[in-house]
This record gives sequence, structure tokens and C-alpha cells, in this order.
Amino acid sequence: QQQVKQSPQSLIVQKGGISIINCAYENTAFDYFPWYQQFPGKGPALLIAIRPDVSEKKEGRFTISFNKSAKQFSLHIMDSQPGDSATYFCAALNAGNNRKLIWGLGTSLAVNP
Amino acid sequence: DAGVIQSPRHEVTEMGQEVTLRCKPISGHNSLFWYRQTMMRGLELLIYFNNNVPIDDSGMPEDRFSAKMPNASFSTLKIQPSEPRDSAVYFCASSLQGTSGSPLHFGNGTRLTVT
Repeated sequence: QQQVKQSPQSLIVQKGGISIINCAYENTAFDYFPWYQQFPGKGPALLIAIRPDVSEKKEGRFTISFNKSAKQFSLHIMDSQPGDSATYFCAALNAGNNRKLIWGLGTSLAVNP
Repeated sequence: DAGVIQSPRHEVTEMGQEVTLRCKPISGHNSLFWYRQTMMRGLELLIYFNNNVPIDDSGMPEDRFSAKMPNASFSTLKIQPSEPRDSAVYFCASSLQGTSGSPLHFGNGTRLTVT
């Protein structure tokens, strides 16, 4: 059972464009929503995270938008660069379930030069 | 900080053989996680330890899989006997638990191929 649904599976964006990746969840017990970035041959690394008490968090070119009522959150990459080409994973942390991260299936982003 | 160190980086073995994957977490981190990554199933949590104690092993696929953490600086994941369907990238990650939302620090993984 996929508790965090991520879309799209893959994304191609031109350099300078905006990349948008969406995630949806069902469990209202989730209280922490991180995004991880993974380059080929490497492990995932935390990119940015948000808690449900705010609707947006921005760090440089990366922004998380959070819609608590819709149970959705998204990652926006502004001015996308070829170096952003990677796989992106959304996740959600369940406060009541041994605090395990529940992962989306990932989005493969390719930014064309 | 050397990060999470995993060995070996690549492992090719024949079906039926025993495979041992190793992990050294970041010094001072008190939680350790073993994940498996495949194209079909994404990132799957196999087991995690808190203060060297296994907390949740519900993700371990079968009895062929076992994990140990004899001390705070070392963990192993063993598969015996290995099967072709075990082929995947296995990641170890560590974090400083105690505060909600502590980031996971992943190693670079072990790519396992079982023929």
C-alpha cells in the first residue's frame, strides 16, 4: 500500500525552467515532510523539509508548498539547472508509527542544457 | 566527518551463497537504518536500530535476511542463502534520533547482484 503517492514518475525540463513534483498522502498523523535528492551512484540526501504548520518553505531555488486540507505537498525548483538532474523523493514521517519515514517512489528529473 | 561508510560498493555472488553487507554510521548518531532500493519498489525500509537495539524489522522480507548492530559504530546485513530476486542496491543510513524529523544520512550503497 503506497501511503505517499508521487508524480510524475519522470520529468524533462529545459534549463531555466521550473520543475514541479507533487506528492499526496492520506494519513493525517504525518507531521514532517522531507524531500530527498539522489544522484546516480549515491545515496539520497536531504534537500529541504517542511512541517504542517507552515504552507511554504523556500531555500534558494527550492521551495516546498504544503496544502494541509488537500493533503498534498510539492517541490518547486526554480531556474532549473543541468546539475539538478537527479531523482527526487518525497517522504512523510508518521509521529505514531515508530517514526518511520514513508517514501514516495521517486521522480527522475532531467534538465536539458 | 566521513559520512556513512558502506562496504563493499559492489557484490556479485551466485545464488545460494551468503552475502554480508557492512555499515559504519556517522559517529554520534544513535539510529541506523537499512534500506533496499529497486526500480519496481523504490526505497524499502528493511530494519532500523535505535541505540543498537532493533526497533522495527517488519520490512525484512524473509528469514533469509538478518541484521545485527553489535556496537554503535558497526552494523551488518546478512542474506543467507541469497537469491536472484535479492539483487538491488542496499543502503545504510544513520541519524541522530531524539528530535522529530532528524535527517537521514545515507551511505553510497552496496549494489548486490545475485546470479
